[in-house]
Amino acid sequence: QVQLVQSGAEVKKPGASVKVSCKASGYTFSNYYIHWVRQAPGQRLEWMGIINPSGGSTTYAQKLQGRVTMTRDTSASTVYVELSSLRSEDSAVYYCAKDGVLGVNDYGDQNYFAAWGQGTLVTVSS
Amino acid sequence: SYELTQPPSVSVSPGQTASITCSGDTLGSKYACWYQQKPGQSPVVVIYQDTKRPAGIPERFSGSNSGNTATLTISGTQAMDEADYYCQAWDSSTVVFGGGTKLTVL
Repeated sequence: QVQLVQSGAEVKKPGASVKVSCKASGYTFSNYYIHWVRQAPGQRLEWMGIINPSGGSTTYAQKLQGRVTMTRDTSASTVYVELSSLRSEDSAVYYCAKDGVLGVNDYGDQNYFAAWGQGTLVTVSS
Repeated sequence: SYELTQPPSVSVSPGQTASITCSGDTLGSKYACWYQQKPGQSPVVVIYQDTKRPAGIPERFSGSNSGNTATLTISGTQAMDEADYYCQAWDSSTVVFGGGTKLTVL
C-alpha cells in the first residue's frame, strides 16, 4: 500500500533553515507528483508547492518564493522540502502528499492529494 | 488572489444529512475536492474531481459543484464523521484551500 514516511520533529531558531524528508513506497515513485502542504496551529491548510519526482521540476507558492526549495532523490524514493530564513510564522506541521493522478507531464485542475504523510512538526523559536 | 469560503461550523444530529458548502468565484468551472481531518491526524480525501469517491470512503459521502458553490453532503451522518472538512481547488496553477468547517455530530 502507498506510504509516505516523513522525518521527525524539528526545533529551529529564527533565521535558520529546516529540511524535511518524505520517503515514498508502495507505488512507482516517478509516476506521480508530490506536493508539500503545511498547517499552522488552528489554521487552514496551505499549499507550498509541487515537485515532479521524475524530472525534478518544481513550482512554488508565490508567498514562499525565494525561501523554499523542493528536491528529490530518485534512488531513495525520497523528496525533500527546505525552508530558509525561518520566522515564527513558519511554525507548523508540514505534510507531503502524493498526487492522485497518474502521470507527470502536466498538472492542473484535475490533480488532488490522494495520500498524505504523517506530518512533521517544525517549531521556530528563539 | 482566489479565495474559497466555508462556514466555520456545521452541526448535525446522528443519522441526519449534513451539508457543507464552499464558495468561490466561478468555482463550478473548476474541480473541487474535499478533505476530512480528525484531531491530530493527517487529512484524508473524501471527494475529488467534484463527485468522485476514493476507494474505502463510505457511500454516504457525496459531492456536487455548480455556479459559485461546491457542496459536500454526508447522508446518515455518524459520530465518526465528526471532523474538520476542507475544500480545495486550483486557480492559476496554484492550489487554494478553504478555511475549513468543523462538523459536530450531536
